[in-house]
Amino acid sequence: KAGVTQTPRYLIKTRGQQVTLSCSPISGHRSVSWYQQTPGQGLQFLFEYFSETQRNKGNFPGRFSGRQFSNSRSEMNVSTLELGDSALYLCASSLSRGGQDTQYFGPGTRLTVL
Amino acid sequence: DQQVKQNSPSLSVQEGRISILNCDYTNSMFDYFLWYKKYPAEGPTFLISISSIKDKNEDGRFTVFLNKSAKHLSLHIVPSQPGDSAVYFCAATLGSNFGNEKLTFGTGTRLTIIP
Repeated sequence: KAGVTQTPRYLIKTRGQQVTLSCSPISGHRSVSWYQQTPGQGLQFLFEYFSETQRNKGNFPGRFSGRQFSNSRSEMNVSTLELGDSALYLCASSLSRGGQDTQYFGPGTRLTVL
Repeated sequence: DQQVKQNSPSLSVQEGRISILNCDYTNSMFDYFLWYKKYPAEGPTFLISISSIKDKNEDGRFTVFLNKSAKHLSLHIVPSQPGDSAVYFCAATLGSNFGNEKLTFGTGTRLTIIP
């Protein structure tokens, strides 16, 4: 079974631009979560989508948004990029049957904001 | 407010010996805990998990221990191998509540296995 895939793997943008990242979950997984990893803050939860609805949200500004499609694929958008948005963005998927489901991560998208 | 803490940023262990990685948490509502291993420029890879109803879970060379009263968990790797060199994250979640997919991560411990 294929793992979680993320595209693109690397991105370079300038301040003020916007960016869209894509995540395809493991087949059959209905939940997709997004995390930001930076050297100073570690892995921080952004948001989680299930059945095309945002179900959980972390403490990030409204510039960070996302959506999920009917096939469970998810996109994350960051508008008006700031230098501090440079990070590794990870998505994870899980079955989310209820109870304790393990999340499986993709390889991440490395975003650099200049 | 760091709800999950890994107080050792790095650890070096001789090959063949036991590696012990520690993690503390403050939120008593957490009831499902996971360990992930991460190589540079890759996503975290799931290693092992434990539910709060258990105090030990074992999978091959990896064993996780949970001490709920101390709000402490540890990951034991025996024997340690060079391929175990990576950053290890512990994570916690309110796993027993449907819809709580949010993982709260520790800051990670870089494990180096010395040949």
